[in-house]
Amino acid sequence: QKEVEQDPGPLSVPEGAIVSLNCTYSNSAFQYFMWYRQYSRKGPELLMYTYSSGNKEDGRFTAQVDKSSKYISLFIRDSQPSDSATYLCAMNEGGTSYGKLTFGQGTILTVHP
Amino acid sequence: GAGVSQSPSNKVTEKGKDVELRCDPISGHTALYWYRQSLGQGLEFLIYFQGNSAPDKSGLPSDRFSAERTGGSVSTLTIQRTQQEDSAVYLCASRLLGSNTEAFFGQGTRLTVV
Repeated sequence: QKEVEQDPGPLSVPEGAIVSLNCTYSNSAFQYFMWYRQYSRKGPELLMYTYSSGNKEDGRFTAQVDKSSKYISLFIRDSQPSDSATYLCAMNEGGTSYGKLTFGQGTILTVHP
Repeated sequence: GAGVSQSPSNKVTEKGKDVELRCDPISGHTALYWYRQSLGQGLEFLIYFQGNSAPDKSGLPSDRFSAERTGGSVSTLTIQRTQQEDSAVYLCASRLLGSNTEAFFGQGTRLTVV
């Protein structure tokens, strides 16, 4: 079993829809949780970063962490065609001595006009 | 400038040949990662350098893979006797010391072994 599981999709939604992306994990030592967005033939770029359980909002994006269930989510409101990309969850154990990031498989999202 | 720079951007090589992939991290970033991304797959961790500490090599898939980081800056990932299953995009990332800082990725090297 992989440490981080993410539904690869693909996911296709109409413009304006609310998108929900999810990851589950098995390593209870993970403390830092991130969502990266990757456009075709580009490197991933950080979208959202959270530490504790709860919600964090940034514009149309909301990241949610539930450590008790080992489950994280990314919600995209009013989705736009420019949101079409692969979304990768990532997490690490934290601390200055261990910065390895463990990624999910990535979910391919297409938002059509 | 100054993002993470990787070269070459594309590399086609014959099976059995050795290849070297280069990563120039952001200046001052002490942590450097190599990941591999196969088609339709997530990022597979390969190796992690942090300052002067011994690198975490736990993700290297075989002894054909090695990496070094000279002078705490530029890193080279070497794949010896390449196989077709080595075909993938190899991504490099760097970040500042500390766990709550963003890792910046390069655009990757697309390696094709024929």
